[in-house]
Amino acid sequence: SAVISQKPSRDICQRGTSLTIQCQVDSQVTMMFWYRQQPGQSLTLIATANQGSEATYESGFVIDKFPISRPNLTFSTLTVSNLSPEDSSIYLCSVEMDYGYTFGSGTRLTVV
Amino acid sequence: AQSVTQLDSHVSVSEGTPVLLRCNYSSSYSPSLFWYVQHPNKGLQLLLKYTSAATLVKGINGFEAEFKKSETSFHLTKPSAHMSDAAEYFCVVSPGGRRALTFGSGTRLQVQP
Repeated sequence: SAVISQKPSRDICQRGTSLTIQCQVDSQVTMMFWYRQQPGQSLTLIATANQGSEATYESGFVIDKFPISRPNLTFSTLTVSNLSPEDSSIYLCSVEMDYGYTFGSGTRLTVV
Repeated sequence: AQSVTQLDSHVSVSEGTPVLLRCNYSSSYSPSLFWYVQHPNKGLQLLLKYTSAATLVKGINGFEAEFKKSETSFHLTKPSAHMSDAAEYFCVVSPGGRRALTFGSGTRLQVQP
């Protein structure tokens, strides 16, 4: 089964700064997905990242706030920019494998 | 378009009694359906997956789910709850084709001793 290494696992950031989250997959995948899980909520898709093309963002999420890089088939980053307390959430990356979707362990972001 | 409705935000059972977590879905496609579990401060773990092979799907840790197209349901069951089953459970739908998942709102399962 695929393994995703996601880091950092948690961070506390000052408002107005940015946090970059990294996901490394141990096999090549075409698409990577980024989700947000707000406190006590379910997961919401932020964007789909295809290698070699611009990420596709869901309604309510914009590239300026959540820039994504996908330089190769095993790696992606999500940056959460200009942080505000409302960005305090868990952020997760995910890829689809033959048996189902696997997820990174998540990044718990607290904005102070 | 697709959506998932988990009918109970909170379910409480006694240890050793059956578990039923209810899920209804809506999809324009022939969907793939999943159940994921999230233990406190842990990552998401796949319990089971339905992809139109068999309507009764067996998963890990004694869980199973039955796909009922006529009722657009995919309820999760377990004959006997264990304390370690206490967690948040998500019913999830995918249209396939390596596209993103749509998550239900989650059901928090409590298991009383």
